[in-house]
Amino acid sequence: GESVGLHLPTLSVQEGDNSIINCAYSNSASDYFIWYKQESGKGPQFIIDIRSNMDKRQGQRVTVLLNKTVKHLSLQIAATQPGDSAVYFCAETHGGGNKLTFGTGTQLKVEL
Amino acid sequence: DVKVTQSSRYLVKRTGEKVFLECVQDMDHENMFWYRQDPGLGLRLIYFSYDVKMKEKGDIPEGYSVSREKKERFSLILESASTNQTSMYLCASSGPQGGNYGYTFGSGTRLTVV
Repeated sequence: GESVGLHLPTLSVQEGDNSIINCAYSNSASDYFIWYKQESGKGPQFIIDIRSNMDKRQGQRVTVLLNKTVKHLSLQIAATQPGDSAVYFCAETHGGGNKLTFGTGTQLKVEL
Repeated sequence: DVKVTQSSRYLVKRTGEKVFLECVQDMDHENMFWYRQDPGLGLRLIYFSYDVKMKEKGDIPEGYSVSREKKERFSLILESASTNQTSMYLCASSGPQGGNYGYTFGSGTRLTVV
């Protein structure tokens, strides 16, 4: 079956450095991808999305890169701040469906 | 702001009890979802609903049922709670297809079954 997974369960970065969180997916039909951020004790919050007709999308301090050839998605956070400490999930859907499949999550820890 | 509200943040129930987890959204969203979240397993879909009185099984429906009598409310029911249902439960909603498909999540209910 399809799966959406993350390469690293925990990522530690120094404050001010850039963070890169990776995600692999297996369904070649996946055409819409979302990154979510989940802070401790809260529900996941939408960060940024990208469709399969794009390979890069930028938001405020965040960039999502999509490589369809190798079925890989990454989230880049510029100048990482303590408030960025959270678990980050990628999610995907396909065929215009509204049901998302989530990865297992990466814990980002920002060290002062 | 889009809002999804889960009635309880923390619940402790005994094995064999019937448990109701309530979720309400105020955005007139058609779609509502229940997930459970466990360390190392991520978010797993239990049930979802695309319309009032409509429900579909997700990936792990065993031991759960749902009810959607009104568009804004989606309830998750544990008919007879067991210790392996101790978990974080997340409710989410989303609007019709097109544009942003993303979900809006509630804050979660941490259920402990003893």
